[in-house]
Amino acid sequence: GNSVTQMEGPVTLSEEAFLTINCTYTATGYPSLFWYVQYPGEGLQLLLKATKADDKGSNKGFEATYRKETTSFHLEKGSVQVSDSAVYFCALRPSDGQNFVFGPGTRLSVLP
Amino acid sequence: DAGITQSPRYKITETGRQVTLMCHQTWSHSYMFWYRQDLGHGLRLIYYSAAADITDKGEVPDGYVVSRSKTENFPLTLESATRSQTSVYFCASSETSGVTQYFGPGTRLLVL
Repeated sequence: GNSVTQMEGPVTLSEEAFLTINCTYTATGYPSLFWYVQYPGEGLQLLLKATKADDKGSNKGFEATYRKETTSFHLEKGSVQVSDSAVYFCALRPSDGQNFVFGPGTRLSVLP
Repeated sequence: DAGITQSPRYKITETGRQVTLMCHQTWSHSYMFWYRQDLGHGLRLIYYSAAADITDKGEVPDGYVVSRSKTENFPLTLESATRSQTSVYFCASSETSGVTQYFGPGTRLLVL
């Protein structure tokens, strides 16, 4: 079946450090891939997405590239800020169905 | 303001009681979803609806009932609450299947 695996964390970084949150997936065909972010006390917000292989999604300094060969969609940011502290969810939408599959989420804490 | 709202934001109830969580969206989105968020599981789909009067089961539907008599509302009912239903519940909507889902702020439910 379809699944998403990501590092659960927590991940703790100092401000201006480089961030990588790994995400790998299992799915048939060509799913669409997403990163959602959940700030404390709020619902999930779409951060970025990619709909086909080699696409790069980017937003607010975050980037992720759809790698079909490694079935990965790792999230990166060159210089994190305290305001990036949140839980990050990797998700996929299968190409043959409509229901999203979410990973367990990775909690990021950025210290000043 | 336009958007997706959930009520109540917090609820404490007792085992065996019926509880209804409300979800309302002002975008006239066709699709609406209910998820539960638990540590280690990420988000799991409970039920979804493609349009008014059309609902379908997700990954974890047991113990829940939904209805959708109007496009903008999608209430979730726990017919006889159990401790295992203690969770954070998120409602989401999307214009069509598979595109970006927009999430409400969540309802934190505690079943004693």
